Amino acid sequence: NAGVMQNPRHLVRRRGQEARLRCSPMKGHSHVYWYRQLPEEGLKFMVYLQKENIIDESGMPKERFSAEFPKEGPSILRIQQVVRGDSAAYFCASSPDLGGSTEAFFGQGTRLTVV
Amino acid sequence: DAKTTQPPSMDCAEGRAANLPCNHSTISGNEYVYWYRQIHSQGPQYIIHGLKNNETNEMASLIITEDRKSSTLILPHATLRDTAVYYCIVRLNNAGNMLTFGGGTRLMVKP
Repeated sequence: NAGVMQNPRHLVRRRGQEARLRCSPMKGHSHVYWYRQLPEEGLKFMVYLQKENIIDESGMPKERFSAEFPKEGPSILRIQQVVRGDSAAYFCASSPDLGGSTEAFFGQGTRLTVV
Repeated sequence: DAKTTQPPSMDCAEGRAANLPCNHSTISGNEYVYWYRQIHSQGPQYIIHGLKNNETNEMASLIITEDRKSSTLILPHATLRDTAVYYCIVRLNNAGNMLTFGGGTRLMVKP
């Protein structure tokens, strides 16, 4: 069973470009979570999605950031008009259900560098 | 979700047991205690979790006090590869599995 797959692992964008980060959850997992980790800082929750639904986006910046988890295909975190402050590691996690005893598994992250 | 308190850093000698404490004095009855670790900017790795009883798996043991206000993660024979930031997280049963990460404990295993 493959783990959570994120791609690309490294992404370089110029200021003003768009960044698209992809996350394929583990097989059988229908819940996806995105986290951001700024350099030398902790992991901050961004958004929680189920298939075709955004459940909690309380950690998402109000502008330029969006996320989706379509019925088919990976979850996408999209950052429009990137700025240098968006440079960070973005991690995706997945879990199979809502039970409190079910652990979430993380991918290896996408490291976004804005130049 | 209940807040947790962990020491910011700890050292451990290679081959010895590493005991990482966590205080969660406001934990509620249906909140689980989870431990994750992050090795040098990799994705966080699940270690172990528990509700009331002590738990053990191939990676570690989790000791939860009877009043559930604190817990200890034990790595029985620490190796250099266990050097990482360890996060203690408590989570509601119906929180959509979201994990709230605090500052964690930076464990340095030394030869």
